Amino acid sequence: QVQLVQSGAEVKKPGSSVKVSCKASGGTFSSYTISWVRQAPGQGLEWMGRIIPILGIANYAQKFQGRVTITADKSTSTAYMELSSLRSEDTAVYYCARDGRFYDYWGQGTLVTVSS
Amino acid sequence: EIVLTQSPATLSLSPGERATLSCGASQSVSSSYLAWYQQKPGLAPRLLIYDASSRATGIPDRFSGSGSGTDFTLTISRLEPEDFAVYYCQQYGSSPHTFGQGTKLEIK
Repeated sequence: QVQLVQSGAEVKKPGSSVKVSCKASGGTFSSYTISWVRQAPGQGLEWMGRIIPILGIANYAQKFQGRVTITADKSTSTAYMELSSLRSEDTAVYYCARDGRFYDYWGQGTLVTVSS
Repeated sequence: EIVLTQSPATLSLSPGERATLSCGASQSVSSSYLAWYQQKPGLAPRLLIYDASSRATGIPDRFSGSGSGTDFTLTISRLEPEDFAVYYCQQYGSSPHTFGQGTKLEIK
């Protein structure tokens, strides 16, 4: 049984960066893709990007190009999503999900609040 | 990118009734790579249906998916109290993966 456990809630200032982690257990971490999805308060789901840990290759939604970096550490089965130049509109719950085309396992979500 | 439009935005029904949720795509979804998720307040989305019509592990058979090309449907045959939630469709046939804006299924 795959389990994805994310890091805790964060409060950040505008202009700063945040790095959210997603630790996987069960399954073989290197063999699957991890995607990141965010959800602003009361809004829908928005795909941000993904990484294939075994290759270390990431790709990003155009909207976030240049601001988001997704990485993975195979030794600890952990994926990371770093978002920079934060603004108030980035306040959201950020989810990681196992991306085997469809998203069958999700982390519990990490609330990132951007406020001065 | 493929834009998914879900209808209706809100659906008000009673337990025991049949629910039909629609998802329309701005272009054909490759290989029917379309999924449906259920989300309850404060929780992560839960996969219900993948590849347009395959039920995920542990999903009751009152949930069914159909469609191809640009038109897809999620049907809940007889609503149970725990089915009242928000439902999202997602296409994963082309990058970027995109989601619909959601349908809120509420108790009438």
